Amino acid sequence: DIQMTQSPSSLSASVGDRVTITCRASQSIHTYLNWYQQKPGKAPKLLIYAASTLQSGVTLRFSGSGSWTDFTLTISSLQPEDFATYYCQQSYNTPYTFGQGTKLEIK
Amino acid sequence: QVQLVESGGGVVQPGQSLRLSCAASGFTFSSYALHWVRQAPGKGLEWVAVISYDGTNKYYADSVKGRFTISRDNSRSTLFLQMNSLRPEDTAVYYCARDEVLWRSFDLWGQGTRVTVS
Repeated sequence: DIQMTQSPSSLSASVGDRVTITCRASQSIHTYLNWYQQKPGKAPKLLIYAASTLQSGVTLRFSGSGSWTDFTLTISSLQPEDFATYYCQQSYNTPYTFGQGTKLEIK
Repeated sequence: QVQLVESGGGVVQPGQSLRLSCAASGFTFSSYALHWVRQAPGKGLEWVAVISYDGTNKYYADSVKGRFTISRDNSRSTLFLQMNSLRPEDTAVYYCARDEVLWRSFDLWGQGTRVTVS
């Protein structure tokens, strides 16, 4: 199985900050990498697919990059609604594993 | 509108069975693969199973293989998850999710249904 490792596990930041979350795959997944945002008590929401393609309707504050094994999610200028937990996920092959999550909290 | 709505969760004892449903609306159900994803209390997301658009191909996480069965009824636009021999570690919120097809991202999620095995 492909293991997905996110860092950091938690992050404190302020409104207006630029933040970056990283995700590493245990083997090459090309660009079959997706990012999701989850708020407490809610279902996950797709932000980015294919490593760098913004899902329709998602704010341009979010961007993704990377390929093969190393990927990043960047939020350019944090807004109050961005404080949530973020997950990466590989969709290269089954099982479609998720990273352990990064909880983004207000400083 | 375009949505997925899960149902069927509840509280069961270890060893018992439960069947979850996921009703789809607003899109051509039979064109999409579908997944079940679960989230144990306070934990991260765990992929559970996937079924192809026509139901011919199914894959499972090792943690549920042999106990859970994913199926679909395209005539009713409904996805199912039959869960047998339930264990306390199966306690979670179960989400159904639509597979975007090209990149296999999960672009539409239901609100989740809670399963407690105790």
